[in-house]
Amino acid sequence: QVQLQESGPGLVKPSETLSLTCTVSAYSISSGYNWGWIRQPPGRGLEWIASVYHTGSAAYTPSLESRLNISVDLSKNQISLTLSSVTAADTAVYYCARIGSDFDYWGQGTLVIVSS
Amino acid sequence: NFMLAQPHSVSESPGKTVTISCTRSSGGIDSSYVQWYQQRPGRSPTTVIFEDDQRPSGVPDRFSGSIDISSNSASLTISGLKTEDEADYYCQSSYRGHHVFGGGTKLTVL
Repeated sequence: QVQLQESGPGLVKPSETLSLTCTVSAYSISSGYNWGWIRQPPGRGLEWIASVYHTGSAAYTPSLESRLNISVDLSKNQISLTLSSVTAADTAVYYCARIGSDFDYWGQGTLVIVSS
Repeated sequence: NFMLAQPHSVSESPGKTVTISCTRSSGGIDSSYVQWYQQRPGRSPTTVIFEDDQRPSGVPDRFSGSIDISSNSASLTISGLKTEDEADYYCQSSYRGHHVFGGGTKLTVL
């Protein structure tokens, strides 16, 4: 069973850079698939923000593209995301997921709060 | 780019049938597949329909999906409602490697 586990700082100060990592188990990222990050502000809906292929080819949601960077580390079987210049509006649960015909495997999510 | 519009909430009684719509703002609804996800409080989303009308293994056949080209919308229908179906439901579609989620519909089974 493919498993994804997000890790992150929990609390980030405004204007700083948020760094998140998704560790994949029971599947080698180098074998393929698209891998994505989705966030969900408290009490609100899902928002896809970025995804990356095992080759490193990436896509970003237009509204955040200038602040985002997504990458893969095949040696660690991890997907990483950075979001710069964070504000309170970036407070959310951040999920990573595998993307095939659908978002078929999700992590449990990690809550990130932006606050001074 | 496009958006997917869903009703904010729907409610229905146990045993009844409910349909949740998902309307695409631009481009044809049939230009890319639509998926539907169920999210219970505090849990990660799970797929109930993929590729417009396909059910993953383990999803009851009470769940069905369809698209309507004339209204440029997709629909998720849940028949024989159970209290356990109470959750948020999201439609999702993709274009050129980008992915779009609808705003979500809260289903109340009362």
